Formats: sequence, structure tokens, C-alpha cells
Amino acid sequence: KNQVEQSPQSLIILEGKNCTLQCNYTVSPFSNLRWYKQDTGRGPVSLTIMTFSENTKSNGRYTATLDADTKQSSLHITASQLSDSASYICVVSDTSGGSYIPTFGRGTSLIVHP
Amino acid sequence: DGGITQSPKYLFRKEGQNVTLSCEQNLNHDAMYWYRQDPGQGLRLIYYSQIVNDFQKGDIAEGYSVSREKKESFPLTVTSAQKNPTAFYLCASKDYNEQFFGPGTRLTVL
Repeated sequence: KNQVEQSPQSLIILEGKNCTLQCNYTVSPFSNLRWYKQDTGRGPVSLTIMTFSENTKSNGRYTATLDADTKQSSLHITASQLSDSASYICVVSDTSGGSYIPTFGRGTSLIVHP
Repeated sequence: DGGITQSPKYLFRKEGQNVTLSCEQNLNHDAMYWYRQDPGQGLRLIYYSQIVNDFQKGDIAEGYSVSREKKESFPLTVTSAQKNPTAFYLCASKDYNEQFFGPGTRLTVL
């Protein structure tokens, strides 16, 4: 069964500090991995997408990495801002079957304090 | 202004009532999805539709029903058979390999 595990479950940091969120997956055959940001009471919004051949991808202060051999990904946030307070969800899709049914992690809840 | 809209934003239901959540998209996407989100849990798939007049059950379809009569619309009905419907409901549509989510509907059973 495909699974996506995220850690930590929650994280509290001070404004301006960096942090790294982790995602481990057992999805096969792997197609791509996407990180979403979900503000409280809103729908998730895509931050980055990683395919098998990509190791690193940046989107502003967000940098995602992917190690397809160990099936791990990380999302690094640089110089955190109060607006980064949100849930960050790792989503992995496979290439099997005709339907696009990705597997969602439970998310990491990030709180940035002033 | 393209995107996915969900209505209402908040919905209250009495026990024994059926309620319908609206989801509309003007992105011209074929595939649409309904997810349920509970605190501390990942998104769980209720139903999905890859094309008009066709839909498939997801992992937690019991107590829910859907229709897909138009490409733009994918309404979800929460029936009285759903024993614990209080949750945040998200609708999504798909373009190639990315899902785009609506703003969500929070359903509360009184």
C-alpha cells in the first residue's frame, strides 16, 4: 500500500529562522512528488513539484529536495516569515493505472512566532 | 477569473438531513475530486470523476453521493447515512499532473 509519512507533526520557530520539513514515501512506481501549503481554513496551494530526475527545486524562500533512492524529500524554508505559518503537505503520485490518485501525507503544522 | 469555487463556506446540518456541497470549476479540467479533511489527518478521497457522467468511489465513499452531469460541476451530497460528517471538505480538479483545490466547505452537524 502506498504511504507518505511526514515529520515533524508540528513545529514552532521564531520569525527569521530556517526550518526543514521531512517526507518519506513508499509509493511505487514513483511519478512525482509535490509540496503543498495549506493556510488554516483554505485549500492547499502547490509550492513545488519534483520528478524522478530532479534533486533540488526552489520557489523563492522554499527549497525542495528529493532523494529517489532513499525515497525521501525535504522542504527547507529560509528566513521564515509570519505568513509561513500553515500546514505543509507532501503528496506523491505513481504511474500505475489510468487514474491520477495521489497519496497525501498528514502534513506538518508550522507556526512562526514573532 | 479562472479557478475552483465551493459553496457554501460554512454549512450546518441537523442529524438525519441530507446536504449538498457545491463545486464548480472554469478551468476546463476533465478530472475532479472530493476529499475530506479531519484534524491531524491527511486528505482522504471520497469520490472522483475522470469525465462527465462517470465517477468512481474513493476510500471513504460510504454515506456520500455525487453526480457529474456537466464538466464544470461536481456536487457532493452528504447523506444521513454518513454517521460522522463534521469535517472540512475540499474539491479539486486536475490538469496533467497537478491538482488545483477549491477554498473548502466546513460542515458541522448540530
